[in-house]
Amino acid sequence: QSILTQPPSASGAPGQRVTISCSGSSSDIGRSTVNWYQHLPGSAPKLLIYSNMQRPSGVPDRFSGSKSGTSASLAINGLQSDDEAHYFCAAWDVRLNGPVFGGGTKLTVL
Amino acid sequence: QAQLVQSGAAVEKPGSSVKVSCKASGDTFMKHGIAWVRQAPGEGFEWMGGIIPILGTPNYAQKFQGRLTITRDEASSTTFMELTSLRSDDTAVYFCGTLRVEVDIIGVEDWGQGTLVTVSS
Repeated sequence: QSILTQPPSASGAPGQRVTISCSGSSSDIGRSTVNWYQHLPGSAPKLLIYSNMQRPSGVPDRFSGSKSGTSASLAINGLQSDDEAHYFCAAWDVRLNGPVFGGGTKLTVL
Repeated sequence: QAQLVQSGAAVEKPGSSVKVSCKASGDTFMKHGIAWVRQAPGEGFEWMGGIIPILGTPNYAQKFQGRLTITRDEASSTTFMELTSLRSDDTAVYFCGTLRVEVDIIGVEDWGQGTLVTVSS
């Protein structure tokens, strides 16, 4: 059972906007920043958002992140077919002294 | 973007050990820590432990204390993860990743391709 809670699935049509939520606690999201990753099973996860809302070089600005209290969200604007993947959040847990992860959300582009 | 190359898939018997390697570019190896994370079938990702050069000693999740050893070989820019007393529920894909613990980023940045470890008699 994952520490951070995400919806198991999300979907949207091409061009639409979709948001994925990530809920944690005062020990993780409440005290640290949140990262978001894109993962295609069988390959290496890719960092999409770090420090709640920062995008690494090369990540399109269609992807954005936000955080409030013990929750965070990933928004994807202008959905494209190749956005179809698993997305998961992560935050540093001060009790674990390591990152905790969400269970992942499978995004389907209709 | 850091390049991390992991060793190949392994099949191990219950009670045995597995050692997975993660080779990083020289610059990455010296600048950043390495984290080990696993994903069991149908499950989310799970932090196992990591090593940060500036600290020198590894940090292990309590769940794996006594069974997990993370080591570094500077000569080959390779980090190793050894898990002992394997059980069937250790069957998972094991990932290494660059571990950043800094003001502007904290967590795993770049990831290896993953190594499937199957524990089966």
